[in-house]
Amino acid sequence: DGGITQSPKYLFRKEGQNVTLSCEQNLNHDAMYWYRQDPGQGLRLIYYSQIVNDFQKGDIAEGYSVSREKKESFPLTVTSAQKNPTAFYLCASNELAGGKETQYFGPGTRLLVL
Amino acid sequence: RKEVEQDPGPFNVPEGATVAFNCTYSNSASQSFFWYRQDCRKEPKLLMSVYSSGNEDGRFTAQLNRASQYISLLIRDSKLSDSATYLCVSQRSGGYQKVTFGIGTKLQVIP
Repeated sequence: DGGITQSPKYLFRKEGQNVTLSCEQNLNHDAMYWYRQDPGQGLRLIYYSQIVNDFQKGDIAEGYSVSREKKESFPLTVTSAQKNPTAFYLCASNELAGGKETQYFGPGTRLLVL
Repeated sequence: RKEVEQDPGPFNVPEGATVAFNCTYSNSASQSFFWYRQDCRKEPKLLMSVYSSGNEDGRFTAQLNRASQYISLLIRDSKLSDSATYLCVSQRSGGYQKVTFGIGTKLQVIP
């Protein structure tokens, strides 16, 4: 089965704790993205990566970090510096077909602060 | 002003009705547009791409009006299973293909 997987589905974070969200894709997509979704707001871009070993900050990168050591994997770490981490986190990757790019999403991770 | 604006709804329509959503965008450099469907507590799933004036897929029709900078989604013969939130998305070049999401329009189809 080809697709994007995210784990865990639910994650609980204690105060001062760093947590890492996993995102894996076997679609052979070059570009991968992390978004955060809050009620009443559109998806907001945290980080993106267009190729292995390269990534760029999005609109709300503070308090987050990423790595892209493999094409298939783009983990997101929510650090203790992120003061309001409770949200639905979505990973996406890009298919480039005929010059048009279309984003496909993983099932998401819901992060809650204890 | 938000780059992509949508009426959050909810739109409550009876089964079988035709419903239309509009979405306006502010950046004239936007090149491509998409409608995604998002069910409650699930990820967005691509419904339609809109690259030129419009696109039709079964009961769904998307139209693009570049002069007025809006995209519309028309759903004919609404089904109960169409109940979801519909996200409008614009895409433009800028270092990478910058993608901007609207907040979504909630549709509830009632029997």
